[in-house]
Amino acid sequence: GAGVSQSPSNKVTEKGKDVELRCDPISGHTALYWYRQRLGQGLEFLIYFQGNSAPDKSGLPSDRFSAERTGESVSTLTIQRTQQEDSAVYLCASSLNRDLPEAFFGQGTRLTVV
Amino acid sequence: AQKVTQAQTEISVVEKEDVTLDCVYETRDTTYYLFWYKQPPSGELVFLIRRNSFDEQNEISGRYSWNFQKSTSSFNFTITASQVVDSAVYFCALKGAGGFKTIFGAGTRLFVKA
Repeated sequence: GAGVSQSPSNKVTEKGKDVELRCDPISGHTALYWYRQRLGQGLEFLIYFQGNSAPDKSGLPSDRFSAERTGESVSTLTIQRTQQEDSAVYLCASSLNRDLPEAFFGQGTRLTVV
Repeated sequence: AQKVTQAQTEISVVEKEDVTLDCVYETRDTTYYLFWYKQPPSGELVFLIRRNSFDEQNEISGRYSWNFQKSTSSFNFTITASQVVDSAVYFCALKGAGGFKTIFGAGTRLFVKA
């Protein structure tokens, strides 16, 4: 596609339920990032995929968070047993390669845990 | 460790004033990339510029200019003759050339009043 696409754009879930957030990166981009942005805050790094290398999971806040990426395509961020503090906008970004490393962002998924 | 500091939390100016947003970074990498992003009220992050560590030339694009100084580890962003549409949160970011994650500063919220 022309840009990074995320779905759903909004998600309201009950505390304790699992949620899956999807990201379709720009075609051909080898790197993919997930960030979390709480209201009025900066971007908190969650996880980074680069080609077929092992992902950098150093930013995942707890073992309730996991992410997968199939090859250089779609990625899914899963949050199990959601808590109210998980409420935030989850942003996905992709970048072409190491020579063109600027990341292009999707519109985000706004997650609200009630 | 890598770190990006944007000491200015909020800046308020009157239209047509010039404004400079500060960014100071820390990295042990000898080759790295620096970025600026804009996040307007709509929420989607917009890539503005990338600067490679080996290229210290300043850059100007219309009313925007960037001053990169390795000696002070700074990558400051100036908006000349600010406009109301410049109102947004601006993020500075850093990425090591080794393919590591991109980390973001906390952002500077710019208000431009008519």
